[in-house]
Amino acid sequence: ETGVTQSPTHLIKTRGQQVTLRCSSQSGHNTVSWYQQALGQGPQFIFQYYREEENGRGNFPPRFSGLQFPNYSSELNVNALELDDSALYLCASSLHGQSYEQYFGPGTRLTVT
Amino acid sequence: GQNIDQPTEMTATEGAIVQINCTYQTSGFNGLFWYQQHAGEAPTFLSYNVLDGLEEKGRFSSFLSRSKGYSYLLLKELQMKDSASYLCAVRARGAGSYQLTFGKGTKLSVIP
Repeated sequence: ETGVTQSPTHLIKTRGQQVTLRCSSQSGHNTVSWYQQALGQGPQFIFQYYREEENGRGNFPPRFSGLQFPNYSSELNVNALELDDSALYLCASSLHGQSYEQYFGPGTRLTVT
Repeated sequence: GQNIDQPTEMTATEGAIVQINCTYQTSGFNGLFWYQQHAGEAPTFLSYNVLDGLEEKGRFSSFLSRSKGYSYLLLKELQMKDSASYLCAVRARGAGSYQLTFGKGTKLSVIP
């Protein structure tokens, strides 16, 4: 059984640029959630994807967008990067209908300068 | 909205017992989760409570009181590898199935 993987591991971008982060869900999981974790804080929910559609969104602006593909992998896109976007971005996968089983990937550390 | 409060840091001795508290306020409640997160790593699932009472899993136990908006995570026979951040998270009723609101985490340091 393959766990949740994310790429890249680390990324450095300049303010105003755009970034795409990728996530491959655990085998058999069809739902992907994205979280942003600033240093010293708990993860904050960005959005969730199920059946290739956004299925819930947290308090993040529209410049945070995502995609889910037929193989359940997902992308998180952030446009017009700001310094405050510097954080660990976590992807979590789960099987729709399961009450609590959600598995996190190792995360992508994004630094915006 | 939701608000989750847990202590920022705790220190405990190897072999001892430690209790990490979490209080929450939510407009509707549909489950409380505890995760462990080692520095630089992803959170890993520890426990899930949706009904009042104690859930025990090996050295880890989690308690929930919905009427008090209160939970605790109990770690027994502490080991050095238990040094990590412990995250309390709440799922609100009506929210997406996996839309969790996390607290800031409690950094636990286990000392010899």
